[in-house]
Amino acid sequence: LAKTTQPISMDSYEGQEVNITCSHNNIATNDYITWYQQFPSQGPRFIIQGYKTKVTNEVASLFIPADRKSSTLSLPRVSLSDTAVYYCLVGPNTDKLIFGTGTRLQVFP
Amino acid sequence: NAGVMQNPRHLVRRRGQEARLRCSPMKGHSHVYWYRQLPEEGLKFMVYLQKENIIDESGMPKERFSAEFPKEGPSILRIQQVVRGDSAAYFCASSPGGRGIYEQYFGPGTRLTVT
Repeated sequence: LAKTTQPISMDSYEGQEVNITCSHNNIATNDYITWYQQFPSQGPRFIIQGYKTKVTNEVASLFIPADRKSSTLSLPRVSLSDTAVYYCLVGPNTDKLIFGTGTRLQVFP
Repeated sequence: NAGVMQNPRHLVRRRGQEARLRCSPMKGHSHVYWYRQLPEEGLKFMVYLQKENIIDESGMPKERFSAEFPKEGPSILRIQQVVRGDSAAYFCASSPGGRGIYEQYFGPGTRLTVT
């Protein structure tokens, strides 16, 4: 399974757009890119998934360049409640999830 | 539709005792996954089960750990003769399986403390 690299932590202020980039140089043809969010003392929660180009839902956008070796999770106008750990995962669509250490996002007022 | 349920939420065991963690998947989900999370770390996959079958147990320690997902009832993760190093949060996730968006729904976790 492809290894992912993402920043350990990021800081932002309320109302700003936050972009978290994940590198996955060894992504395979049948791998999808999925992002999860985890609050303290809770299980992770699915945010978004994509294969290529751009995907948008009510929570976030996911940008994937043509070579698929990286991806960027974009959170528009973050609030204090977006403070959490964000995990980038890469793998086939019918397999276990492989979590890295994630990016700890801290949103300040 | 109730989410994934796990119980107990907190479990304290002395070294050498057994721990049983239960997971009820979302209604209609036939795939269950167990993960373990140590403090300040990401989740680590342990085992993947479908009804009455273990599909992938590559993340399970070779000894003391076992899992089942019977035809009726919840999935059980069983840890025999617990040691301090077993202290962690154990998360269960479920999915409907099949092709399509790969999304697992996680429960709130069971926090195991071994004293």
